[in-house]
This record gives sequence, C-alpha cells and structure tokens, in this order.
Amino acid sequence: NAGVTQTPKFQVLKTGQSMTLQCAQDMNHEYMSWYRQDPGMGLRLIHYSVGAGITDQGEVPNGYNVSRSTTEDFPLRLLSAAPSQTSVYFCASSSRTSGSPDTQYFGPGTRLTVL
Amino acid sequence: QQQVKQSPQSLIVQKGGISIINCAYENTAFDYFPWYQQFPGKGPALLIAIRPDVSEKKEGRFTISFNKSAKQFSLHIMDSQPGDSATYFCAAMEYGNKLVFGAGTILRVKS
Repeated sequence: NAGVTQTPKFQVLKTGQSMTLQCAQDMNHEYMSWYRQDPGMGLRLIHYSVGAGITDQGEVPNGYNVSRSTTEDFPLRLLSAAPSQTSVYFCASSSRTSGSPDTQYFGPGTRLTVL
Repeated sequence: QQQVKQSPQSLIVQKGGISIINCAYENTAFDYFPWYQQFPGKGPALLIAIRPDVSEKKEGRFTISFNKSAKQFSLHIMDSQPGDSATYFCAAMEYGNKLVFGAGTILRVKS
C-alpha cells in the first residue's frame, strides 16, 4: 500500500493563478479531508468528503473547491491564488468500523507559496 | 472559535522526565480523541488515540488520560527521550471523520 499520496511536494504560484493539488489513497477509505497548516497553528479543515460524490465545507473553505468522483482521489483546486493561501496542505483519509472511527492517515503534504 | 484548546505552547523536559500536554474541548459530539506527533517537514503521524468510553489508554511510554465529565484529556510521555522532541497535536473527531486540532505543543527533551 502506498497509503496517502500527494502531488506536488512544492509549488510556487503567482497571485491570481489557479492550480490543483492532487491527493490519492489506496486503502479504500470512504472519508477524505483536506487541511491546511500555518505556522504556530494546528491543522484546519478546508473541505471533506464522506464518500464518492459527496463533499462538504470545513472551517476555512473560501477560495478552494473540491470534487470526489472516485473513492481513491480527492483533488483540491485553488481558484485564484492569494498570498493568504501560502501554507502547507495535508490530505487525509480514514474509515469507520461498526460506526467508530479508525485511524486517520495523512499524506506528506504540499508546501505552497503564493507570491 | 477554538473548539480544542491545547496547553502549553512549548515544553522543555529533561531526558528521563515526564512530559505532560493538556487539551480541553467543548463539543460533546466528538467521539474520538487522537494525538499526533509531527517532525519538521513531515505530515502528522498518529501517536495514540482514545474513545470517550475509556478513561485511560497506555501504549509503551505514551498514556492518554481522558476525563469525559470535565471534557479534558491529556498526553503523558514517560521517560522522555531526545528523539521525542517534536510538535504534538491533540485533536477531536466529529461526524464525517473531521478532525479539530489543538494549536500544538513544541516539545524539547534536553539530554
């Protein structure tokens, strides 16, 4: 199992550019999430999905879009990059067993700088 | 609003000592409380987790104590080692397997 993979590892954008951060998992997990981590802060939820075709907003969704057409993939789109979106982005996946949550696995992260 | 409050922000412990990090939460719908360890440049890695029907869980040198009535939980690292130096995050999980994180504690273990 590769676990949770994210691409790219690093990215530099100019203000106003758009891009897609890729996330894939091979554990057949139904739950996937995107978080951002800023210095001195814990991770904050951007968007999440409870299954293919179902997505919802987290704590800080503005400026980001997601879609979940397959169980494996959960891309995060930046519509028009702003310097405030400079951050480290983590994708995560997990499942539930008998209604109780299982371990949430995190990808290695994408470091994004917006100039 | 900060749903999970974590303290202290930073902690320095002598090698062999006990490291204690505390967290408090508000939302009684949380049903899973993990602790994550993060090294610089890496993603968070699950250290240990507890469900709210258990008051304590121990795995090796790491113990979670959970007080449901007080809505508090804590991480104890026994016999702290320099290799434990990292940032530790408490978190709480709600519907959709969404995690709400504390702000993190930077632990430094002095040898």
